[in-house]
Amino acid sequence: KAGVTQTPRYLIKTRGQQVTLSCSPISGHRSVSWYQQTPGQGLQFLFEYFSETQRNKGNFPGRFSGRQFSNSRSEMNVSTLELGDSALYLCASTRGGTDTEAFFGQGTRLTVV
Amino acid sequence: ELKVEQNPLFLSMQEGKNYTIYCNYSTTSDRLYWYRQDPGKSLESLFVLLSNGAVKQEGRLMASLDTKARLSTLHITAAVHDLSATYFCAAFSFTGANSKLTFGKGITLSVRP
Repeated sequence: KAGVTQTPRYLIKTRGQQVTLSCSPISGHRSVSWYQQTPGQGLQFLFEYFSETQRNKGNFPGRFSGRQFSNSRSEMNVSTLELGDSALYLCASTRGGTDTEAFFGQGTRLTVV
Repeated sequence: ELKVEQNPLFLSMQEGKNYTIYCNYSTTSDRLYWYRQDPGKSLESLFVLLSNGAVKQEGRLMASLDTKARLSTLHITAAVHDLSATYFCAAFSFTGANSKLTFGKGITLSVRP
């Protein structure tokens, strides 16, 4: 079965711009979580969406936002990009409910210059 | 808040020898996951440990969970170069609206001849 698909794989943006990343979860999975991975901070939880509702949020500024559509696909948006936003952004899908095993996409490598 | 610790952050292993790495977590959790990440790649699910005393084995890797000690171990038998990667453990906390996976910082394993 198809895995978690993230697009685009690579992005280069300029400070101050905004960016939208996309994640298509595994078919049948209703929960999508987003993580930021950097060498210094490791894997940090951004937010989780379940059935189109944000269910949980990490400690990131309001410039980071997301949404989930009725087909479970999710997008995250980062506005007013800063150099420190350069990272690998990973999306994980889980079936939801009591099934919490997370499957990760290939990630989007964002570079802010 | 659930915290997950992995030590050390880097381990140099000699080919053919056995090693054990550890994952400690701070509060009650009965779900522990191990992931592998190769450089520049996403996270690959290795093991899902869902109860106290759970033991899973795959090839040269064996993972176990002791929920009373809040400790998971990953045992490596006769290390080979292909096992060089970063290994993350993650614990799941069921806290209602704040339920989420929390990751350790990862242990980078390097196998030398």
